[in-house]
Amino acid sequence: DAGVIQSPRHEVTEMGQEVTLRCKPISGHNSLFWYRQTMMRGLELLIYFNNNVPIDDSGMPEDRFSAKMPNASFSTLKIQPSEPRDSAVYFCASLPSGSNQPQHFGDGTRLSIL
Amino acid sequence: AQSVTQPDIHITVSEGASLELRCNYSYGATPYLFWYVQSPGQGLQLLLKYFSGDTLVQGIKGFEAEFKRSQSSFNLRKPSVHWSDAAEYFCAVGAIQGAQKLVFGQGTRLTINP
Repeated sequence: DAGVIQSPRHEVTEMGQEVTLRCKPISGHNSLFWYRQTMMRGLELLIYFNNNVPIDDSGMPEDRFSAKMPNASFSTLKIQPSEPRDSAVYFCASLPSGSNQPQHFGDGTRLSIL
Repeated sequence: AQSVTQPDIHITVSEGASLELRCNYSYGATPYLFWYVQSPGQGLQLLLKYFSGDTLVQGIKGFEAEFKRSQSSFNLRKPSVHWSDAAEYFCAVGAIQGAQKLVFGQGTRLTINP
C-alpha cells in the first residue's frame, strides 16, 4: 500500500511568489495533518482535518497560509505571498479512524524562499 | 496542554554499545506516547507506541521503550546500536481521545562512531 505522498519534494522560489504544497493521504485514512519543521521551532502542527473538515487551524502562522481538503484523497497547503522565513520542511501525515492508531508521515517538501 | 522534553540534543555512541534516549512528558491524563525516527531527507517513521497495558513496549529495529508514570518518562532503549541507527529521534505525546494533535519533543540526534 502506498504511503502518504507529498509533492513537490523540493521547491525553491522567490519571495512574494505563491507556493502550493500537495498531499495525498493513505487511502481510507480520515484524518490529515500538516506540520512544519524548522531548526528553531522543531515540528509544529499547523492544521488538521477530520473527514475533509478543518478541525484546528490554531497553528497556522498567519493569513498568508491557507489549507484545503476538497476530497478524501487530496489536500493543499498554500502560502501567498511567500517570505524567506517560511523556508522549512513541510510534512503531511494521515491517520486512520480509531483511537489506537499512529500517524503516518510523508517524506516532506523542503521549501526554500529566496 | 501537552509538552515533551528530550533533554539530550545530540548523543554519540560507539557501534555495538547500548543506547538510551530520554523523554519526559507533561499531560494531565494517561497519554498516548510515540517514538519516531527521521533519517536525513526522509519523513518520520514510527518506531513504537504506547497506548495502554504492558509498560514495556517493543518496536521495530530492535528498539524498546518503557512507560514510567511516576517519572512521566518514556525512554527509548536499544541493547546494541548499528551504524544504520544514526538519525534523529523524536518523542511525541498525543491526547487520549485518539492520536491527534501530537506534540513533539525537539529531537535527539544520534551519531554512531565506528
